[in-house]
Amino acid sequence: GAGVSQSPRYKVAKRGQDVALRCDPISGHVSLFWYQQALGQGPEFLTYFQNEAQLDKSGLPSDRFFAERPEGSVSTLKIQRTQQEDSAVYLCASTTLGGGISPLHFGNGTRLTVT
Amino acid sequence: GESVGLHLPTLSVQEGDNSIINCAYSNSASDYFIWYKQESGKGPQFIIDIRSNMDKRQGQRVTVLLNKTVKHLSLQIAATQPGDSAVYFCAEHNLIQGAQKLVFGQGTRLTINP
Repeated sequence: GAGVSQSPRYKVAKRGQDVALRCDPISGHVSLFWYQQALGQGPEFLTYFQNEAQLDKSGLPSDRFFAERPEGSVSTLKIQRTQQEDSAVYLCASTTLGGGISPLHFGNGTRLTVT
Repeated sequence: GESVGLHLPTLSVQEGDNSIINCAYSNSASDYFIWYKQESGKGPQFIIDIRSNMDKRQGQRVTVLLNKTVKHLSLQIAATQPGDSAVYFCAEHNLIQGAQKLVFGQGTRLTINP
């Protein structure tokens, strides 16, 4: 596809379960971002990759959150021992550049509901 | 109609009218700004961007104005259509916080009335 693809589209987890969210960025895009969007709020930065290197993870809310991009393309955001406050839409975005400025291209997100 | 920054999160305008959405950004070092449109159930969609060395940029039916003196950004949408109904976010980028970390505002919900 031409855009950023995220799966699953929806995920319901019981509190304490682990979840894994997948992002397929636009082919050839160097930079990949994860954002968390709570209901009625703007997206909040979680972490940033340039190729396979995680250059910034300052937005990850706790050590239960872990992201990886081992081959510099597909990325996975993992949340361990989910809590109700983790319920949100998780957005992935990518962009061509490795340095410089250009707009991010977002996927449609994964809506996570923790019960 | 006009919204005043992020303190008025909803804006309703009649179809065909012009709309103005305002945004106050926080960091005077921000060097790049983007407006995104987000429809229900979808990710943010790029509308228009502007660099800090510009004060105005025009696209198709949209214009972004940047006033660095008062740290203010606005999005003007001309001849609004029903498809313009969405939540609009401004986002700012600055190098101090690290490469390409965009900081989003809370958003303004725009409703186009027929």
